[in-house]
Order: sequence, then C-alpha cells, then structure tokens
Amino acid sequence: DAGVIQSPRHEVTEMGQEVTLRCKPISGHNSLFWYRQTMMRGLELLIYFNNNVPIDDSGMPEDRFSAKMPNASFSTLKIQPSEPRDSAVYFCASSPGLAGVYEQYFGPGTRLTVT
Amino acid sequence: DQQVKQNSPSLSVQEGRISILNCDYTNSMFDYFLWYKKYPAEGPTFLISISSIKDKNEDGRFTVFLNKSAKHLSLHIVPSQPGDSAVYFCAASARGYGQNFVFGPGTRLSVLP
Repeated sequence: DAGVIQSPRHEVTEMGQEVTLRCKPISGHNSLFWYRQTMMRGLELLIYFNNNVPIDDSGMPEDRFSAKMPNASFSTLKIQPSEPRDSAVYFCASSPGLAGVYEQYFGPGTRLTVT
Repeated sequence: DQQVKQNSPSLSVQEGRISILNCDYTNSMFDYFLWYKKYPAEGPTFLISISSIKDKNEDGRFTVFLNKSAKHLSLHIVPSQPGDSAVYFCAASARGYGQNFVFGPGTRLSVLP
C-alpha cells in the first residue's frame, strides 16, 4: 500500500515567493493533518481536516498560510508570501478517524528553505 | 506550557542492552498514548500505542508501560539494535475531546555496535 505522498521533497525559494506543498493521504483515511517541524518548536499542528472540511486551523501561523482539501485524495498548503522564518520541514499525515483517536501516518515531509 | 515532556534529549545504549525512553505528561485527561520513531529525512513512523485502561502493551522487542498515577510512560526496547537509532516521540491525547495528539520534543536514541 502506498503511504502518504508529499511533493516536493525539497523546496528552495526566495523570500516573497509563493510556495505550494502537496499531499496525497492514504486511501480510505478521512482525516488529514499538516504539521511543521522546527528545532525550536518541535512538531506543531498547523491544520486538521476531517472529511475534507477544516476542523482546527488554530495552528496556522498567520494569513500568509492557507490550506485546502478539494477532495479526499489531495491537499495543499500554500505560503504566500514566504519568509525566511518559514524554513522548516512540513509533514502531512492522515488517519482513518478523528484527531486524537487513531494513530496517524506521516508522509516523508517537504524540507522548505526560504532565502 | 509543555503538556508532554521528554526530558532526555538523547540516550546512548550498547547493542543488545535495554533502551528505556521516558515520557511525562501533565494533563490528567490524556487517555491514549503513542510512540513514534523517526529516521533522518523521513516522516515519523507509528511504533506502539497504549490506552489508559492498560498499564502495559507489548509488540515484539517494544514494550510500553503506563503509570497513570505518576503521569509517566516509558518505552522499552529489548534487545536494542543499531537500526533502532532514531528520534523517538511520545504523543498523547484525550480521545473523547476531539483534540489532536500532543507531541513531546523527542529523544534521540543511539545504539552503539
């Protein structure tokens, strides 16, 4: 079975540019999560979708960040405009049920570098 | 306010010996706990879980112990192997409250050959 798929694996961009990260969850999973990992803050939840509907976006840092889930097999996380402090590894994860109830399966991550 | 703590940033163990990774939590509503393992350049991988109705769960070389009164859980790896070298994250949730897992900061385990 394919796991969670993320693209790109690495992204280097200049400050001010738009960045779009992509995620394909595991088929049949109805919850999808976007996380950001940094040395300072560890693994922090940005947003959580259930059945394609955003349930909790309280972790989204600011209006520069937006996430969509147009269907059950695809989600995007967009940063516009990007800033150097957005440099981090971004993980997408999916689970077969609600947040906090089932274990989550993580993708390999996208390492974002904003110069 | 860190609700899930892993106070040892790193741990070194000799191959074949036991590795014990510790995790403490502060929220008494937490009733479900997970351990994840993470290799460099990969996402975290689910390892083992335990519900608060149990005090022990075993899966092969991995055993998780839960002490609810102390709000403490530990992951035991016996015997440790070099391939176990990774960062281990503890995560906790209160399942009835619709909130996501809270992750600890991780412990880097090095198993020395």
